[in-house]
Amino acid sequence: AQRVTQPEKLLSVFKGAPVELKCNYSYSGSPELFWYVQYSRQRLQLLLRHISRESIKGFTADLNKGETSFHLKKPFAQEEDSAMYYCALSPWGGNKLVFGAGTILRVKS
Amino acid sequence: ETGVTQSPTHLIKTRGQQVTLRCSSQSGHNTVSWYQQALGQGPQFIFQYYREEENGRGNFPPRFSGLQFPNYSSELNVNALELDDSALYLCASSLAAQIGETQYFGPGTRLLVL
Repeated sequence: AQRVTQPEKLLSVFKGAPVELKCNYSYSGSPELFWYVQYSRQRLQLLLRHISRESIKGFTADLNKGETSFHLKKPFAQEEDSAMYYCALSPWGGNKLVFGAGTILRVKS
Repeated sequence: ETGVTQSPTHLIKTRGQQVTLRCSSQSGHNTVSWYQQALGQGPQFIFQYYREEENGRGNFPPRFSGLQFPNYSSELNVNALELDDSALYLCASSLAAQIGETQYFGPGTRLLVL
């Protein structure tokens, strides 16, 4: 069964502090993994995907196949990073998404 | 370029009724996916349409059905509404249905079943 687990419902950090949003997945094959973000009053949008190995808005995520994890990291949090973050996977062969329950990130000044 | 649009934005129905939700895909996109997002949860995949054919279905009963039209817009129909169907329904479109194709989400339709 395909499953994405985000263990934290809420993560609260101070501005300038490092951020790590945790994501673990279970899937028997090699999925594609994503982080989606939803800012206040905006629609859900793609933040980054593991296959691109890119850094978006200072965020990076490394796929660890041994630990089946895809944690999202940023060295210095900004207030504008406050949002809901969803980790998601696409099973091999298509682009349907399996989402985790999401983590609210609050960056305090 | 017009983004994904959904209608209506909100609606209220009573148990046992039927509802139709609509989605217009982004220009040039031939694939539409529907998701249900209950309060406090992540979106759950309902089904996907690719070039007017169903292309995969999640763990939802047959009373959830859909259509995709020649212009690639789509409808989600839910029959015999239950209280647990109360949720935000999201539509997403993509250029194709292959792995790696980014899904672009609409603003959602919030359905309340009383």
